Amino acid sequence: DVQMTQSPSSLSASVGDRVTISCRASQDISGYLNWYQQTPGKAPKLLIYATSNLHNGVPSRFSGSVSETTYTLTISTLQLEDLGTYYCQQSDTTPWTFGHGTKVEI
Amino acid sequence: EVQLVESGGGLVQPGGSLRVSCETSGFRFSSYWMHWVRLVPGKGLEWVSRVDFDGTSATYADSVKGRFIISRDNAKNTLFLQMKSLRVEDTAVYYCARAIGGISPLDSWGQGTLVTVSS
Repeated sequence: DVQMTQSPSSLSASVGDRVTISCRASQDISGYLNWYQQTPGKAPKLLIYATSNLHNGVPSRFSGSVSETTYTLTISTLQLEDLGTYYCQQSDTTPWTFGHGTKVEI
Repeated sequence: EVQLVESGGGLVQPGGSLRVSCETSGFRFSSYWMHWVRLVPGKGLEWVSRVDFDGTSATYADSVKGRFIISRDNAKNTLFLQMKSLRVEDTAVYYCARAIGGISPLDSWGQGTLVTVSS
């Protein structure tokens, strides 16, 4: 199975900060890396798909990139509504696997 | 409006069985692969299973293989997950989600149904 190593496990930041979350795959996943946000008590929401594509309706302050085997989610200017847990997920190979999540506190 | 609504969760004893359902509306159900993903308390999201457009191909996580069966009724726009030989570690909120293709992301999710396995 593809292991997804996500870091950090949690972070605390202020409104307006730039936030980055990383995810490293244990093998090549051909860019099929997606990012989801889950706020408390709600269903996960798709933010970014296939490394860097913004899902419909997602604010442009969210972006995705890759450098070698490390995928990164960036929130350029953190807003209050961005609190929650963020997960990376690979869809290249079954079984699909998620990172362990990054809890973002404001 | 795209809607996915899970139901059927509840409390079940270890070794028991349960079937959860996901009723959908607002999109062409038969055009989408459908998935089950669970949120395990204190751990995070875990992918459980997926089924292709017409239900002929299903894939499972190793942790549920041989115990869970995913199926769909395209006439009723509904997805199912039959769970048997339930274990305490199957306790989770179970979400259904859709994907347009085999490697596509999960672009819409239901609100989830809680399954608690406990004696």
